[in-house]
Amino acid sequence: QLVLTQSPSASASLGASVKLTCTLSSGHSSYAIAWHQQQPEKGPRFLMKVNSDGSHIKGGEIPDRFSGSSSGAERYLTISSLQSEDEADYYCQTWATGIVLFGGGTKVTVL
Amino acid sequence: EVQLVESGGGLVQPGGSLRLSCAASGFTLSRSWMSWVRQAPGKGLEWVANIKEDASEKYYVDSVKGRFTISRDNAKNSLYLQMDSLRPEDTAVYYCARIPRLGESSPWYFDLWGRGTLVTVSS
Repeated sequence: QLVLTQSPSASASLGASVKLTCTLSSGHSSYAIAWHQQQPEKGPRFLMKVNSDGSHIKGGEIPDRFSGSSSGAERYLTISSLQSEDEADYYCQTWATGIVLFGGGTKVTVL
Repeated sequence: EVQLVESGGGLVQPGGSLRLSCAASGFTLSRSWMSWVRQAPGKGLEWVANIKEDASEKYYVDSVKGRFTISRDNAKNSLYLQMDSLRPEDTAVYYCARIPRLGESSPWYFDLWGRGTLVTVSS
């Protein structure tokens, strides 16, 4: 069964880096995922699509300090030089024939 | 400006109906698969439905099958969600989202989101 697992929370200091992980369920390590950011009281915003080989396609006007990578069944989103506006929920998302799935989301707190 | 704007949300009693609309601007809707995604209060994102460019294929999450219908009018650059037999657990902000066209394929991720419209199902 296709499932995405995310840690519920993460935190880092202003100007530091944070690496978020999205884990694909067993047997699905070749799947691509997408990362979406949701700031408080706003709609989601597409950040990037990350493939199993670590290559990624970013959305328009996404700063360079957002980057994506992969290792096995894990997909990562790294935010460098954390800004206050990066405090948000981050969701990973994937798909298969006839279905779309989201991870539970990770709440990032900027200290 | 490329954007999606949802409308049609509101308060409805259990068992009632509501029709959501999504107006696309800045791009040609007919070239993209489109989706509805919802978010219950304080919860995460949940996919609801997808529709192909020409409406020849439609897919739904199990919890709404038989109750919700996704449709589109490409001439009006608009997407719709007809919601019938509404339940309290359908209470959520409903987002319209675009699936990108990458060459000849349309991988089912979302590269453009609307701001959402709130649906409240309560007596």
